[in-house]
Amino acid sequence: GNSVTQMEGPVTLSEEAFLTINCTYTATGYPSLFWYVQYPGEGLQLLLKATKADDKGSNKGFEATYRKETTSFHLEKGSVQVSDSAVYFCALSALNTNAGKSTFGDGTTLTVKP
Amino acid sequence: EPEVTQTPSHQVTQMGQEVILRCVPISNHLYFYWYRQILGQKVEFLVSFYNNEISEKSEIFDDQFSVERPDGSNFTLKIRSTKLEDSAMYFCASKPSGYNEQFFGPGTRLTVL
Repeated sequence: GNSVTQMEGPVTLSEEAFLTINCTYTATGYPSLFWYVQYPGEGLQLLLKATKADDKGSNKGFEATYRKETTSFHLEKGSVQVSDSAVYFCALSALNTNAGKSTFGDGTTLTVKP
Repeated sequence: EPEVTQTPSHQVTQMGQEVILRCVPISNHLYFYWYRQILGQKVEFLVSFYNNEISEKSEIFDDQFSVERPDGSNFTLKIRSTKLEDSAMYFCASKPSGYNEQFFGPGTRLTVL
């Protein structure tokens, strides 16, 4: 079956530091890849997505590139802010599965200190 | 912009009681899903629903759970006899045909006492 592995957290950074959260996946077929962000006590917000190999998703200064050769979709941001503190989930979904369900990683908690 | 909505936002119930969580998917979407997130843990797939029937379900989705699309707009998740371990955030999602991205609702926080 499909699976997503995220780097273990929590991650603590100082404001303006560079962020990388690693994500690798295992999937049959051609999945789409997603990063979701969850702020404390809130729901899932789609942060960015990529639907095919070499696509780069970007939003709010965050970027991730769909790397089929390394089955990875690492999240990066050049300069984090305190407001970026949240839990980040990498996920995939694939049309070839029976139902196109989403498979999530365990989540990585990011804390940014001023 | 159309959104998936869920009600209630928070439900508190006693162990053994039945609960129904409600979702209104985006109107032209054909695939519907329920996911569960126990506090501090990952988001887990429960069930998918297409063409008025369950298309896939996880091991979590046992006989205590059921789903229904009663009227063409609502999509409900029923838990017949709640247990303490059912306390979680429940997310509904929907997507149109031929499209990988699912659109998630804001979630219902279920607390079982």
